[in-house]
Amino acid sequence: GENVEQHPSTLSVQEGDSAVIKCTYSDSASNYFPWYKQELGKRPQLIIDIRSNVGEKKDQRIAVTLNKTAKHFSLHITETQPEDSAVYFCAAPFLSGYSTLTFGKGTMLLVSP
Amino acid sequence: NAGVTQTPKFRVLKTGQSMTLLCAQDMNHEYMYWYRQDPGMGLRLIHYSVGEGTTAKGEVPDGYNVSRLKKQNFLLGLESAAPSQTSVYFCASSYVGAGLGWIYNEQFFGPGTRLTVL
Repeated sequence: GENVEQHPSTLSVQEGDSAVIKCTYSDSASNYFPWYKQELGKRPQLIIDIRSNVGEKKDQRIAVTLNKTAKHFSLHITETQPEDSAVYFCAAPFLSGYSTLTFGKGTMLLVSP
Repeated sequence: NAGVTQTPKFRVLKTGQSMTLLCAQDMNHEYMYWYRQDPGMGLRLIHYSVGEGTTAKGEVPDGYNVSRLKKQNFLLGLESAAPSQTSVYFCASSYVGAGLGWIYNEQFFGPGTRLTVL
């Protein structure tokens, strides 16, 4: 199955700074990479995803980039705000196909005012 | 439209006791999943189902059983609880689609069940 490594495990930034979280995956056939955000005590929710036929996708202050050759993808958050504080998980298909996902271990992002 | 719901929200068991966690979704999704979340370990897949009457093992299936008798419900059972099963359990459902060169699998999570095994 897929192995997903996520770094860093914690990230502290000042409000207004940018934050970058990186993930690597092992299966070169993987073609779908979502990111989930989990606020304290809440459920994970999808915030952005990227498919292997594009290298970058943006949605307002968040963007995801994908490097298929190096087998890594990254989440970029610009102009961070205190409400961005949460745990962020990357994911990739667990088995050949697309019915399941394997998640990284998460990054706790703390944005200080 | 309630989305994904889980019952119960909290539970304390003694070692060796059994229990069933219920997950229900009203989005007509074919795919359903059970995860456990432990500090520093992320979300680990226990079992999943790709449709009514089907189940399959995930990454950490030992000690758990599941059933999907109805499309909208996915049950997770612990036959003989152990302290190592203390965790937060999340259910999820998804619509999964695929085409030429693309796939889509947005998972919608329930609120979670916090289980403590003493």
